[in-house]
Amino acid sequence: GDSVTQMEGPVTLSEEAFLTINCTYTATGYPSLFWYVQYPGEGLQLLLKATKADDKGSNKGFEATYRKETTSFHLEKGSVQVSDSAVYFCALSGVEAGNNRKLIWGLGTSLAVNP
Amino acid sequence: GAGVSQSPSNKVTEKGKDVELRCDPISGHTALYWYRQRLGQGLEFLIYFQGNSAPDKSGLPSDRFSAERTGESVSTLTIQRTQQEDSAVYLCASSLVSGRVNEQFFGPGTRLTVL
Repeated sequence: GDSVTQMEGPVTLSEEAFLTINCTYTATGYPSLFWYVQYPGEGLQLLLKATKADDKGSNKGFEATYRKETTSFHLEKGSVQVSDSAVYFCALSGVEAGNNRKLIWGLGTSLAVNP
Repeated sequence: GAGVSQSPSNKVTEKGKDVELRCDPISGHTALYWYRQRLGQGLEFLIYFQGNSAPDKSGLPSDRFSAERTGESVSTLTIQRTQQEDSAVYLCASSLVSGRVNEQFFGPGTRLTVL
């Protein structure tokens, strides 16, 4: 079945460092891919998404490119801030009948950015 | 008020008691999901409602868990005879299911603690 694997945390960076959080997936067809973020004490929020191969999702300085050939959707940011400290979840939405209804989630990667 | 709301925000109960959690989805969203998030873990799918179709209950962990939804509005998740392992944050999400994109909007969650 469909699955999502993302790098384990916690990830600890200094402010202005470069961030990469790896995410790879297994799915049939062409799923939609998402990154969600959960800030401390808050609910899950959609950060960015991509719906087809080579699409790049971007928001708040974060980017992720849908790579069909490597089945990846790595999250990147060139210069992190303390306010980016949160847990980041990679997810996919399948396209076949029967699974185009729920998101398949990675386990989440905790990011801590120190000043 | 455009977001998904959940109540209560926190619930502490004794083992063996029943609890009822409520979710108000975004108006007009036909799909509604319940997830469970245990401490330090990813999201675990519980149940999915889509319009008048039969709900997908494949994620419910036991027959102590049940959920209802009235039309395309409020949903309640009921846990009977609660156990300590039921302690978690219960998240509700809603979405407009269109084509392949399934962007879900999350509520703030209900933190359930079973003593």
